Amino acid sequence: AQTVTQSQPEMSVQEAETVTLSCTYDTSESDYYLFWYKQPPSRQMILVIRQEAYKQQNATENRFSVNFQKAAKSFSLKISDSQLGDAAMYFCAAGQGAQKLVFGQGTRLTINP
Amino acid sequence: DTAVSQTPKYLVTQMGNDKSIKCEQNLGHDTMYWYKQDSKKFLKIMFSYNNKELIINETVPNRFSPKSPDKAHLNLHINSLELGDSAVYFCASSQRQPIVYGYTFGSGTRLTVV
Repeated sequence: AQTVTQSQPEMSVQEAETVTLSCTYDTSESDYYLFWYKQPPSRQMILVIRQEAYKQQNATENRFSVNFQKAAKSFSLKISDSQLGDAAMYFCAAGQGAQKLVFGQGTRLTINP
Repeated sequence: DTAVSQTPKYLVTQMGNDKSIKCEQNLGHDTMYWYKQDSKKFLKIMFSYNNKELIINETVPNRFSPKSPDKAHLNLHINSLELGDSAVYFCASSQRQPIVYGYTFGSGTRLTVV
């Protein structure tokens, strides 16, 4: 069974600094997809970034980038130049041909002004 | 135009009542889902439909019954509500398998059972 683990329940960072959120996963499949979602206080789930397992190149979306280590089954999210609007719960998720995403427990990110 | 819309956004009801949550997507996606987010923010899949066919039915009490009249709509009916059913319920949709682009979520329904 696929599992996703986020070992940091809470993280905080100073505004304009860089923060990295950790995620590890376990899957027996060779073809799968990894995602980071953001859930601000509004409750809306927002897709931040995605990565295909067969691609070695790390995905990047503006200030958000990932460090994908396939052998270690690690998929961390780096947020550069943190902004107050980045404060939210962040969820790592993994999906494969079973057509469902499995989510980690979430990391609550606080941005200190 | 909201891509995945859920109604209602908030639902407060007494134990023992029956309630429904509705979901509609205008993205043309084939697959729709119901997830439950508990008080600790953990997201767990409940059901999934692909073009009106039930394809995922996790271990959920049979008081919960999903219905998909067409591929754009997925409803969730809950009978005999219990205190433990209090949670946020999310509807989501995705393109055809495999899940390449992830889900588009609705805004969630906060269900409070008193």
